[in-house]
Amino acid sequence: DTVLTQSPALAVSPGERVSISCRASEGVNSYMHWYQQKPGQQPKLLIYKASNLASGVPARFSGSGSGTDFTLTIDPVEADDTATYFCQQSWNDPYTFGAGTKLELK
Amino acid sequence: QVQLKESGPGLVQPSETLSLTCTVSGFSLTSYSVSWVRQPSGKGPEWMGRMWYDGDTAYNSALKSRLSISRDTSKNQVFLKMNSLQTDDTGTYYCTREAYGGYGWFAYWGQGTLVTVSS
Repeated sequence: DTVLTQSPALAVSPGERVSISCRASEGVNSYMHWYQQKPGQQPKLLIYKASNLASGVPARFSGSGSGTDFTLTIDPVEADDTATYFCQQSWNDPYTFGAGTKLELK
Repeated sequence: QVQLKESGPGLVQPSETLSLTCTVSGFSLTSYSVSWVRQPSGKGPEWMGRMWYDGDTAYNSALKSRLSISRDTSKNQVFLKMNSLQTDDTGTYYCTREAYGGYGWFAYWGQGTLVTVSS
């Protein structure tokens, strides 16, 4: 299976820019997607196919990358962005998710 | 609007079978596929399998021997059955729908149902 590796946690101050990385153990073309999950809630799609903003998602969120290395960027970070962010690939079978990066605000 | 809602028992005994139902609205099961995704507490989600719009199914190979997904289009429901449950099957189970067919990103999620495997 394709393993997606994410940093466990990040802490940033409101107004700053933050980049969350996801590295795949094998190529996934551009089929990497990003979700935000707040405690007690279901995941919410933010970015699909590496760089496409999902409907209703603020333009502060952006994605980049291809192949094995991908990045989710939030600029500027707001207090409401405190959450866990997951990457997910759908190029290789089975679909897999990363373990998540917990974003905390200073 | 698109809605999905999971239902089922919150507690299952070890070695027993889990049965969950996903009731959907706002779209047709003959036009979109529905996937099951589960998430242990504090961990990343795991894609379990899918009911395709044409009635075909696909499973995560890690679960294939224990998992069955079916549907009743007249009731707008998709069903999950998984046998031989163990404690590490504990977690929140979600049904999801892709924005478009077959590309693999999940734009719609149910609220999830917590399943605890314990005696």
